[in-house]
Amino acid sequence: DAGVTQSPTHLIKTRGQQVTLRCSPISGHKSVSWYQQVLGQGPQFIFQYYEKEERGRGNFPDRFSARQFPNYSSELNVNALLLGDSALYLCASSSDRLYGYTFGSGTRLTVV
Amino acid sequence: AQKITQTQPGMFVQEKEAVTLDCTYDTSDQSYGLFWYKQPSSGEMIFLIYQGSYDEQNATEGRYSLNFQKARKSANLVISASQLGDSAMYFCAMREGRDYKLSFGAGTTVTVRA
Repeated sequence: DAGVTQSPTHLIKTRGQQVTLRCSPISGHKSVSWYQQVLGQGPQFIFQYYEKEERGRGNFPDRFSARQFPNYSSELNVNALLLGDSALYLCASSSDRLYGYTFGSGTRLTVV
Repeated sequence: AQKITQTQPGMFVQEKEAVTLDCTYDTSDQSYGLFWYKQPSSGEMIFLIYQGSYDEQNATEGRYSLNFQKARKSANLVISASQLGDSAMYFCAMREGRDYKLSFGAGTTVTVRA
């Protein structure tokens, strides 16, 4: 069975640009969460989607947005990139169970 | 306030020895879950072990065990018989109530020496 897949694995963007990151959850998982992990720190929660609806949002500016599609895949968009947005972006999927978060390998975003 | 505190930024352990990673948490919810993840240099977050707040027994998964002390709000991870492949960053995380969000600690780097 395929795990959580994220694309692209790496990308480099210039300040002010926009970026879209993609995530495909494990088959049967209806929930997708996004986390930002700055180098040397623990992941910080950005968004959680369940059945295409936003269920939670972390303390991130409106430049960050996300959506979930009917097939439960998800996109994270970041506008007007800043140097501080450079991080590993992790996607996690879960089923209706109260535990069982599976993470993808992440997308390493570098803003120059 | 920090929900998860990991006070050990880095630890060295000899191969085949056991190592304990500390984690304390802060929540007012009666229902919560505690997780430990391993993150190798490749970046992926690998689930190791889970402990629910109502679980009476300490969780164990192979060489991993969780020393859950509810009154002290601590959930320490014990890795027995360390292997070179255990060298990685380890994160403690908590989910509160019905919230799907995980709150992570700052992590502990473990280096296993041959």
